[in-house]
Amino acid sequence: ETGVTQTPRHLVMGMTNKKSLKCEQHLGHNAMYWYKQSAKKPLELMFVYSLEERVENNSVPSRFSPECPNSSHLFLHLHTLQPEDSALYLCASSHDRAPPGAKNIQYFGAGTRLSVL
Amino acid sequence: GQNIDQPTEMTATEGAIVQINCTYQTSGFNGLFWYQQHAGEAPTFLSYNVLDGLEEKGRFSSFLSRSKGYSYLLLKELQMKDSASYLCAVRPLYNFNKFYFGSGTKLNVKP
Repeated sequence: ETGVTQTPRHLVMGMTNKKSLKCEQHLGHNAMYWYKQSAKKPLELMFVYSLEERVENNSVPSRFSPECPNSSHLFLHLHTLQPEDSALYLCASSHDRAPPGAKNIQYFGAGTRLSVL
Repeated sequence: GQNIDQPTEMTATEGAIVQINCTYQTSGFNGLFWYQQHAGEAPTFLSYNVLDGLEEKGRFSSFLSRSKGYSYLLLKELQMKDSASYLCAVRPLYNFNKFYFGSGTKLNVKP
């Protein structure tokens, strides 16, 4: 148990569906992240929220829409996805700012395995 | 650009020692992290290096050479449960919240 919980663990959706991924952290962190993990490729950072404000958006298509209503919850809203969006979507959290020399480790959830048909 | 390289896959025998290498080229450097990820599970933090040298934590050790852009993760007394993917991640100097990950090294431990 890493303190970061993602639901659902598995999701199958058609290209015209709308669904949402949920992430919740119980670590007292104030920064949260969405990553995409595809087979044999590096984790790709999608979005970063710091103190509930989006501070990073790595050229992600608009069919992915993040939402961070408070420092403990993060959502990824999905609509009109493409088959190439099938991947493992990982959420992570960390402290936004840590004292000099601190590690500022990111803690990950187990991910949502998404299949787009 | 950012470039993190790791071997794709390695195989080692139970009880042995294995070294997983990671080389990186990034815009500035502010720490290197190793994570372990079992299939279907969350990546979990293993080690952190920001200064040159060796960090030891039980059966796992991690080494860093900033001048060479090089790190390795050393696993001793391998156990079957060590079969997993090992991810190397580098934090650049200019963005405290941004990690650049390698593709991961899948380690197979055989009896």
